[in-house]
Amino acid sequence: DAMVIQNPRYQVTQFGKPVTLSCSQTLNHNVMYWYQQKSSQAPKLLFHYYDKDFNNEADTPDNFQSRRPNTSFCFLDIRSPGLGDAAMYLCATSRDGQETQYFGPGTRLLVL
Amino acid sequence: AQKVTQAQTEISVVEKEDVTLDCVYETRDTTYYLFWYKQPPSGELVFLIRRNSFDEQNEISGRYSWNFQKSTSSFNFTITASQVVDSAVYFCALSEARRGYQKVTFGIGTKLQVIP
Repeated sequence: DAMVIQNPRYQVTQFGKPVTLSCSQTLNHNVMYWYQQKSSQAPKLLFHYYDKDFNNEADTPDNFQSRRPNTSFCFLDIRSPGLGDAAMYLCATSRDGQETQYFGPGTRLLVL
Repeated sequence: AQKVTQAQTEISVVEKEDVTLDCVYETRDTTYYLFWYKQPPSGELVFLIRRNSFDEQNEISGRYSWNFQKSTSSFNFTITASQVVDSAVYFCALSEARRGYQKVTFGIGTKLQVIP
């Protein structure tokens, strides 16, 4: 089945230790998104890629970076995680910029 | 700026009862999309429905139905004969067109608990 896959499902890191979250998709969608969802809050868009074109939301901290080496994969890098970065990180894809976004299962990040 | 309000943060119903989840939105765009997503405890956001701003026709899919009223800026979601498997957080969302993508704004979510 075509789908959006996120690895790992749970990630524990230490304060200040860089961490990378992974997203892959078999849908062949052009657009990939990263959202941050803190406990009992709505998902918040961090950035997205349209093909290789990277777009940052204005209020996304510099601590968050992303890479998209090819159509199928997208990575979220957190350079120096703080306690406030503990959250669920959701990856989503859409066929093009105007279509419905489909979400992966998320990676729950814990910062110690 | 666009905004989505889900006034009900938590609802509990007994199995087989009907339940309506409210959603009110604000936008200055004339063209926009409205969505409902379901988030079970596993965390994945499951797409349920998308509605564009020009289509006010109500929709029914099995036990689910949606009522879109542009005059009141509402997009309410009703589950008929609720089941335990319906227990989840439900998000209403609004998207506005940006260059090359749709920026989606989510409501805070309504946590639905269906009691057996």
